[in-house]
Amino acid sequence: KAGVTQTPRYLIKTRGQQVTLSCSPISGHRSVSWYQQTPGQGLQFLFEYFSETQRNKGNFPGRFSGRQFSNSRSEMNVSTLELGDSALYLCASSLEGSGYEQYFGPGTRLTVT
Amino acid sequence: AQSVSQHNHHVILSEAASLELGCNYSYGGTVNLFWYVQYPGQHLQLLLKYFSGDPLVKGIKGFEAEFIKSKFSFNLRKPSVQWSDTAEYFCAVKWGAQKLVFGQGTRLTINP
Repeated sequence: KAGVTQTPRYLIKTRGQQVTLSCSPISGHRSVSWYQQTPGQGLQFLFEYFSETQRNKGNFPGRFSGRQFSNSRSEMNVSTLELGDSALYLCASSLEGSGYEQYFGPGTRLTVT
Repeated sequence: AQSVSQHNHHVILSEAASLELGCNYSYGGTVNLFWYVQYPGQHLQLLLKYFSGDPLVKGIKGFEAEFIKSKFSFNLRKPSVQWSDTAEYFCAVKWGAQKLVFGQGTRLTINP
């Protein structure tokens, strides 16, 4: 079974730009969660989607948004990028939700200059 | 606010030493508890989980964890570590339908 895939793997953007990251979950998984990982803050929860509905949202500004499609693929968007948005963005998929075993992707390394 | 604390930021052990990594969470109620591990260059993966039942749970690679409800703790243990256990370990807690909260992580270095 193919694992969670994330594209792109690396991204360099300039302050003020916007970015879209993509996540393809494991086949059959209906839940996708997004996390931001930084050395200082660790793993911070961004959002969780289940069958195209947002179940939970973390404490991030409105510049961070996401969505899930009918095939369970998910995208997250960050508008008006700031230097502090530089991080590894991880996607995780699960059969039933983040309260169950999650399978993580390799992440997208975003650098904002 | 919900929070998860991992008090050991970096632990250095020799092979065959015993390991215990601490994890405490902010308050009770119904919780699902997890330990995830990230080996160098690899994805985060689940080590073990506790939902209910026997508070001593066993995971992969000889790891186990004990849920102590009265102490809001879920410490990770391994009787004898190996060099291949070098990794970063994350405790995570989910309260009911709330978001999953991760601890800051503990970096474990095993010297051969």
